[in-house]
Amino acid sequence: DAMVIQNPRYQVTQFGKPVTLSCSQTLNHNVMYWYQQKSSQAPKLLFHYYDKDFNNEADTPDNFQSRRPNTSFCFLDIRSPGLGDAAMYLCATSSHYNEQFFGPGTRLTVL
Amino acid sequence: AQSVSQHNHHVILSEAASLELGCNYSYGGTVNLFWYVQYPGQHLQLLLKYFSGDPLVKGIKGFEAEFIKSKFSFNLRKPSVQWSDTAEYFCAVNAGGGSQGNLIFGKGTKLSVKP
Repeated sequence: DAMVIQNPRYQVTQFGKPVTLSCSQTLNHNVMYWYQQKSSQAPKLLFHYYDKDFNNEADTPDNFQSRRPNTSFCFLDIRSPGLGDAAMYLCATSSHYNEQFFGPGTRLTVL
Repeated sequence: AQSVSQHNHHVILSEAASLELGCNYSYGGTVNLFWYVQYPGQHLQLLLKYFSGDPLVKGIKGFEAEFIKSKFSFNLRKPSVQWSDTAEYFCAVNAGGGSQGNLIFGKGTKLSVKP
């Protein structure tokens, strides 16, 4: 089945230690998104790639970066995680700006 | 700023009861509207969507939603819920009618269905 895959499902890191979350897709969609979802809150868009074009949301902290080396993969880098960055991180894809397909998420814990 | 409001945080129903979950958005222009569902331990899945045309949209598993432009609403309905509908439901809006990537979510409504 075509799908959106996120690795790892659970990630534990230390305060200030860089961490990378991974997303891959077999849908061949040209748009890939990263969302942050904190407990009991709505998913919040951090940024997205439309093909190779990076689109950052205005209020996304500089601490969050992303890379998309090819159509299938997209990475979320958190340069210096703080306690406030503990959350579920969701990857999604879409064909152009049509409906989005979500991965299972990576739950990040910061110690 | 654009926003999406879901009025109910947690709804508890018995099986066979009717369901209506409210969703209102604040954006004056063209919008695409979505309801996503997240079953326990699973990822977000699309339940239904509205882009244009008939404002009454039918989705999977017997769900439907009605877009009322004058009320900026997109309420989700199901005439008879089942225990398997226990999940969290998110309303989402794509402002600009799909010309932008920003999908704005509501905070979600947890639905618990008692057998």
